[in-house]
Amino acid sequence: DIQMTQSPSTLSASLGDRVTITCRASQSLYTSLAWYQQKPGKAPKLLIYKASTLETGVPSRFSGSGSGTEFTLTINSLQPDDFATYYCQQYSTYSWTFGPGTKVDNK
Amino acid sequence: EVHLMESGGGLVQPGGSRTLSCVASGFTFSDYEMHWVRQAPGKGLEWLSNITTGGIYTHYGDSVKGRFTISRDNAKNSLFLQMNSLRVEDTAVYYCVSGGQCSNGVCQTDASFHHWGQGTVVTVSS
Repeated sequence: DIQMTQSPSTLSASLGDRVTITCRASQSLYTSLAWYQQKPGKAPKLLIYKASTLETGVPSRFSGSGSGTEFTLTINSLQPDDFATYYCQQYSTYSWTFGPGTKVDNK
Repeated sequence: EVHLMESGGGLVQPGGSRTLSCVASGFTFSDYEMHWVRQAPGKGLEWLSNITTGGIYTHYGDSVKGRFTISRDNAKNSLFLQMNSLRVEDTAVYYCVSGGQCSNGVCQTDASFHHWGQGTVVTVSS
C-alpha cells in the first residue's frame, strides 16, 4: 500500500501569511493527488485534484503543485476562513490513502 | 446541486451489525464510483471501501476487509455499507463520497472525492 506523510502536522500562521504544506508519497503517484480542507464537525471539502487543478468554487489563493512523490499545497494570503485541517490523498491505486493531516491554526 | 445523505448510524454493541445507507441526488448516480470513508473521534480520514458504477467490482481497506460489504442500487440512487463483527475501534463518523465518473466503461483519470455527505455517527460500545 502507498503511505502518505504530511509536514508539518501543525502550522501556526497569521492572517495574510503565505502557508505551504508538504505531502510525500512512498511511491510515485504521477499527479493522482488531491487536497481537502476540513473544519471541526464538518465533512471534508475538495480543494485541489490532479495535484494542481483547482476545484470549482475554491478561491484562487489556494494552489497545488508537484508530481511523483512530493506535493505542496500553498495558501496565499491566509484568510480567517482558512483555519482548518488539510489532508492530502492519493488515488493512483485501488486503495485510496489519506495523509495524517496538517492543522493550520491562528498564531 | 449534488446531495448525499447518509443514515443508519447509532449505538451498536461489540460484535453486532449495522447497515448504513446513502441516498444521492443532483447527479447521475449510476455514472459514478462511490466510496465510504470514516473518521474516528479526533483522528484523520480513513478510506474504507469503493464500488464501481455497475456494482460489479468492490475494494476494501485492510481494517474492514471481510467484515464490511459495500453495495449499491442504481435504480434507487442508493449506496449501502453492511457492517458486521463491529469493534470498539469502528466507532467513527461514516461518510458517503462520490468518486470517479465513468461512462460506457471508460473512467476519467480524476478519481478524487468531489462530493461528501454530512456523515452518520456509529458508536460501538457495550
